[in-house]
Amino acid sequence: GAGVSQSPSNKVTEKGKDVELRCDPISGHTALYWYRQRLGQGLEFLIYFQGNSAPDKSGLPSDRFSAERTGESVSTLTIQRTQQEDSAVYLCASSAQGLGYTFGSGTRLTVV
Amino acid sequence: AQSVTQLDSQVPVFEEAPVELRCNYSSSVSVYLFWYVQYPNQGLQLLLKYLSGSTLVESINGFEAEFNKSQTSFHLRKPSVHISDTAEYFCAVSGKNGNKLVFGAGTILRVKS
Repeated sequence: GAGVSQSPSNKVTEKGKDVELRCDPISGHTALYWYRQRLGQGLEFLIYFQGNSAPDKSGLPSDRFSAERTGESVSTLTIQRTQQEDSAVYLCASSAQGLGYTFGSGTRLTVV
Repeated sequence: AQSVTQLDSQVPVFEEAPVELRCNYSSSVSVYLFWYVQYPNQGLQLLLKYLSGSTLVESINGFEAEFNKSQTSFHLRKPSVHISDTAEYFCAVSGKNGNKLVFGAGTILRVKS
């Protein structure tokens, strides 16, 4: 598509439930990134996919967080047993060869 | 690994005044540098980037940034700001070896009339 698409745009979930966030990158972009932005804070790197290479998971905050990507297309970020501190905007970005990252509008996750 | 320091969390400035948002980075490899802008209730947008060549890069709305390798800085400047420039500005760096984009904590620019 023309841009990076994320869904849902907003998600309210109860503490302890699992959530799944989706990212559709720009067609042809080999790299895909997930970031988290807590209220009033900067962007926190979570995970990075580059083509068929093993993903860089160094930013995932706990084993409750996981992400998958099918080839060079859609990615899903899964948070299991959500906690209130997981509340944040989750941003996805894609790029071609690391030059010029395009961000989606994000998913605002609220854990109540 | 790379890191980014944005020295000012908030910068208040009057309309039509000049502004500089400071950014310093550290890296053991050559870098690409970026400034992103986030307007209230909107997503991140790329403002400008330095990849190679001229160390002075410009955006279409009057911002410019200069890559200074010796000072490891990439400060963002605008000679005359508008109310509409009110936003949060993020400096970011990635290594030329193609790894992840690392962001600073952001600087909120508040333009007052």
